[in-house]
Amino acid sequence: GIQVEQSPPDLILQEGANSTLRCNFSDSVNNLQWFHQNPWGQLINLFYIPSGTKQNGRLSATTVATERYSLLYISSSQTTDSGVYFCAVSGGGADGLTFGKGTHLIIQP
Amino acid sequence: SAVISQKPSRDICQRGTSLTIQCQVDSQVTMMFWYRQQPGQSLTLIATANQGSEATYESGFVIDKFPISRPNLTFSTLTVSNMSPEDSSIYLCSVEWAVYNEQFFGPGTRLTVL
Repeated sequence: GIQVEQSPPDLILQEGANSTLRCNFSDSVNNLQWFHQNPWGQLINLFYIPSGTKQNGRLSATTVATERYSLLYISSSQTTDSGVYFCAVSGGGADGLTFGKGTHLIIQP
Repeated sequence: SAVISQKPSRDICQRGTSLTIQCQVDSQVTMMFWYRQQPGQSLTLIATANQGSEATYESGFVIDKFPISRPNLTFSTLTVSNMSPEDSSIYLCSVEWAVYNEQFFGPGTRLTVL
């Protein structure tokens, strides 16, 4: 199956800093999603981005499908951005997602 | 946007017992999936819940331990059978609509087995 690697595993930043999270995957995908898991365990959809670039407020994402990686950018970090960020992919239209191990982000005031 | 609900939200169970978790969506969906998140870990796909037929299980998960039903296009259940403390996890359902290729997750069921 497809392998997904995320880096860094942990990241501690001061409020207002910018960050870049990376997701590498081992095969072609037709679905790539970024999620934020809040402290209550809820998975929040950030981006559906199998290719290209998208932006939503302070967050943006880029996927370079030919090179099998995706980047999530967080600008002007806030304490509420803290949590675990997951990248997940699937190779087929009716397949479940394979998740990376996540990046644990802590934003300090 | 659609609402995905799970019941129960959390439970504490004794080893050897079984628990059935429900996932309800307020609109018809094409695909429904079940995932497990063990403490401090990432999410792992358990199975695809197929409407009107047997679920498709991932390697390492079997029907006897995790029987799944999907009687219609808005509802599915996952049973965790003959539980042991190693089954303590968050169990999440996800859904996908035909017009999208994006999955959306329910709030999860936090299970503790003593």
